Amino acid sequence: KAGVTQTPRYLIKTRGQQVTLSCSPISGHRSVSWYQQTPGQGLQFLFEYFSETQRNKGNFPGRFSGRQFSNSRSEMNVSTLELGDSALYLCASSPPDPAKYFGPGTRLTVL
Amino acid sequence: GDSVTQMEGPVTLSEEAFLTINCTYTATGYPSLFWYVQYPGEGLQLLLKATKADDKGSNKGFEATYRKETTSFHLEKGSVQVSDSAVYFCALRGAGSYQLTFGKGTKLSVIP
Repeated sequence: KAGVTQTPRYLIKTRGQQVTLSCSPISGHRSVSWYQQTPGQGLQFLFEYFSETQRNKGNFPGRFSGRQFSNSRSEMNVSTLELGDSALYLCASSPPDPAKYFGPGTRLTVL
Repeated sequence: GDSVTQMEGPVTLSEEAFLTINCTYTATGYPSLFWYVQYPGEGLQLLLKATKADDKGSNKGFEATYRKETTSFHLEKGSVQVSDSAVYFCALRGAGSYQLTFGKGTKLSVIP
């Protein structure tokens, strides 16, 4: 079966802009989690959704937001981009057990 | 809060050598423990997991045992292959939590 799909795979933005990343989970999976991966901080949890409800949110500023649609697809948005937001953003999908299958990630570069 | 500490890398081994990557954790209650692997240019893959004390997770020749008394979940493989070259992450999920807390990762390089 198809894996977790993330689009776009690469993005280049400038400071102050906003960006929206998309994640399509494996068919039938209702839990979607988002993680930020940077060389300095490693992997950090952003948020987790289940059936369109945010169940958990990590320690990130309000510029980071997300949502999940009725078909389980999820988007995350980052407003007023900063240089430090440059990272690989990973999405994971699961049955109720969180973060089992990860997508390839979206590489965001902020200039 | 919860935290995971992994041995610093990188680790370089010859093919067929024995692998151990140490992982210790701090958490309240009874967390679930995981090992993930990330191959170059790819996302993470769940390698194995254990959900209670003394459980042994195993997959593709890799093993790890949940040791509550030492708060450890060390990853082992008896004979590594070049194809095992990747970054390995230890992680935990606290009881009743929906988020994973990851270690910093250990880069493994296996040379022929």
